[in-house]
Amino acid sequence: EAGVTQFPSHSVIEKGQTVTLRCDPISGHDNLYWYRRVMGKEIKFLLHFVKESKQDESGMPNNRFLAERTGGTYSTLKVQPAELEDSGVYFCASSQRQGGVDSPLHFGNGTRLTVT
Amino acid sequence: GNSVTQMEGPVTLSEEAFLTINCTYTATGYPSLFWYVQYPGEGLQLLLKATKADDKGSNKGFEATYRKETTSFHLEKGSVQVSDSAVYFCALTTTYNFNKFYFGSGTKLNVKP
Repeated sequence: EAGVTQFPSHSVIEKGQTVTLRCDPISGHDNLYWYRRVMGKEIKFLLHFVKESKQDESGMPNNRFLAERTGGTYSTLKVQPAELEDSGVYFCASSQRQGGVDSPLHFGNGTRLTVT
Repeated sequence: GNSVTQMEGPVTLSEEAFLTINCTYTATGYPSLFWYVQYPGEGLQLLLKATKADDKGSNKGFEATYRKETTSFHLEKGSVQVSDSAVYFCALTTTYNFNKFYFGSGTKLNVKP
């Protein structure tokens, strides 16, 4: 089966610009997650979708970040306007069932975002 | 709150050396513990897990034991290979919200032939 796909793999933008990251989960996986790793630090949770609904968006840093999952398939994460501190690696993951204990998270390769 | 602390890297070892990567945690509620690994150019993948105290997770020669008394989940391998070179992340999730993972900052392992 195809894995979780993220694109672009790398994006370099200027402060104030807009960037949209895309994630295609494994087919049939209702649960989709976004995580972020900033400055080589810990990977932090951003939000969780179940199908097209936001189950938990407690990790979204501020209203410059907008995540969508129309139709419950792929998801986009838009940053508008981008700030320097948004630089980092954005990971998407999907799972068949809720909870990562019995239903492992499958991660994409990540999108490295650089804001200059 | 919930958090995971890992030893800082990079860790550089010669092939066949013994590996330990330390991980300690704090958690509200009862945590399940995980090690994820990220090989170069790839996404994270589950390496092993343990869901209750004194459980030992194991996979590919790696082991980790859930120690509630020391709030630790140290990763070990008796003899590392060059192919083990990767970044290792310790993580937890809790009964309060098992959909939300808390990861450590990662430990990069370099194994030299």
